[in-house]
Amino acid sequence: DGGITQSPKYLFRKEGQNVTLSCEQNLNHDAMYWYRQDPGQGLRLIYYSQIVNDFQKGDIAEGYSVSREKKESFPLTVTSAQKNPTAFYLCASSIWSSSGNTIYFGEGSWLTVV
Amino acid sequence: AQKITQTQPGMFVQEKEAVTLDCTYDTSDPSYGLFWYKQPSSGEMIFLIYQGSYDQQNATEGRYSLNFQKARKSANLVISASQLGDSAMYFCAMREASGGSYIPTFGRGTSLIVHP
Repeated sequence: DGGITQSPKYLFRKEGQNVTLSCEQNLNHDAMYWYRQDPGQGLRLIYYSQIVNDFQKGDIAEGYSVSREKKESFPLTVTSAQKNPTAFYLCASSIWSSSGNTIYFGEGSWLTVV
Repeated sequence: AQKITQTQPGMFVQEKEAVTLDCTYDTSDPSYGLFWYKQPSSGEMIFLIYQGSYDQQNATEGRYSLNFQKARKSANLVISASQLGDSAMYFCAMREASGGSYIPTFGRGTSLIVHP
């Protein structure tokens, strides 16, 4: 089945460590996004990518980094520079056309700093 | 300024009644799209309904309908005949063009509780 796979589902990180969240899609979508969700704040855009080898900062990119070496993969690294990384992270992809406009999401990754 | 505003942090509705979740938006892009998503406690985001800015009729999907009032920049979600399983967070989102890219922006959400 087509979809977006995020891993791991749950991750614990010690302060000062970098961690990488995986996001893989087999929908053949060009556009991919990373969102962070905190209680009461909805989804905030971290990074997005419209094509391979290109990505742009979203509203809260500080302390995060991404890569887009393959169309189907868009990993997110939470660096030690991110001061408050405990949150729920959602990866999404989309296709925008006259025949359809839908944003597909992965199941999310819970990151906790211990 | 927020691009998507959901003014109801929480809503309560009795089972089998209809409920309206409010959403207003702000954009200067003449071609945009509006979405509603449901997020149960598991965290997954479930697509409910989509309305394009040029669509003449309000979108409907089963028990969900989108009350699109373009001049008022309003895109309210109406859930008819609420069910206990409708209890969840609901997010309104907008897709607009930005520098040649399409960027989806989400509101802060409304928590809906359906009680028997």
